[in-house]
Amino acid sequence: GAVVSQHPSRVICKSGTSVKIECRSLDFQATTMFWYRQFPKQSLMLMATSNEGSKATYEQGVEKDKFLINHASLTLSTLTVTSAHPEDSSFYICSGGRLAGYEQYFGPGTRLTVT
Amino acid sequence: GQNIDQPTEMTATEGAIVQINCTYQTSGFNGLFWYQQHAGEAPTFLSYNVLDGLEEKGRFSSFLSRSKGYSYLLLKELQMKDSASYLCAVRVFSGGYNKLIFGAGTRLAVHP
Repeated sequence: GAVVSQHPSRVICKSGTSVKIECRSLDFQATTMFWYRQFPKQSLMLMATSNEGSKATYEQGVEKDKFLINHASLTLSTLTVTSAHPEDSSFYICSGGRLAGYEQYFGPGTRLTVT
Repeated sequence: GQNIDQPTEMTATEGAIVQINCTYQTSGFNGLFWYQQHAGEAPTFLSYNVLDGLEEKGRFSSFLSRSKGYSYLLLKELQMKDSASYLCAVRVFSGGYNKLIFGAGTRLAVHP
């Protein structure tokens, strides 16, 4: 159990366009979902935390108007990268957590390339 | 501030034992995790420590000393497939919720 999926797994977009990434918890209710970004050979950096039905909490330095997060249900969260630029090219990973329990369950990641 | 340190790279021989250290200085502590990550893939959970001592799970063991801000991951009977990055992450309670702060990761190369 505790499977998280992400879609798409890879996406290439042109500079200035927007891209939406979906994160789904397939067999559990994720009361909290986390979005991370990982640049090559670097570790995961938390971008934001969202609780179902409320606004996301963004980490310092992450632009909330550029990285729109929606957590409309207990099984779905979306991250929209608006007006993407080449420097936004990265590996985006989501994770879900249950109300009770300490573990986060990670999705397989989305490789975004902005040309 | 939050600071988690671990070696950047390590090499080891197939069949041997390797210990990956992690030291942390964080505002608040609510548990320490170790994850394995292969290139281009998501992290997979290895272990969780919240109390001092050793947790053993098959070929993997993890140790925690909260007073020293120190943990290690011990991998025994190394296999080629253990070549990966190993991420140390501390869970902290901040802003009303628990979140993970990750170290930069240790890239382990296992040689025949």
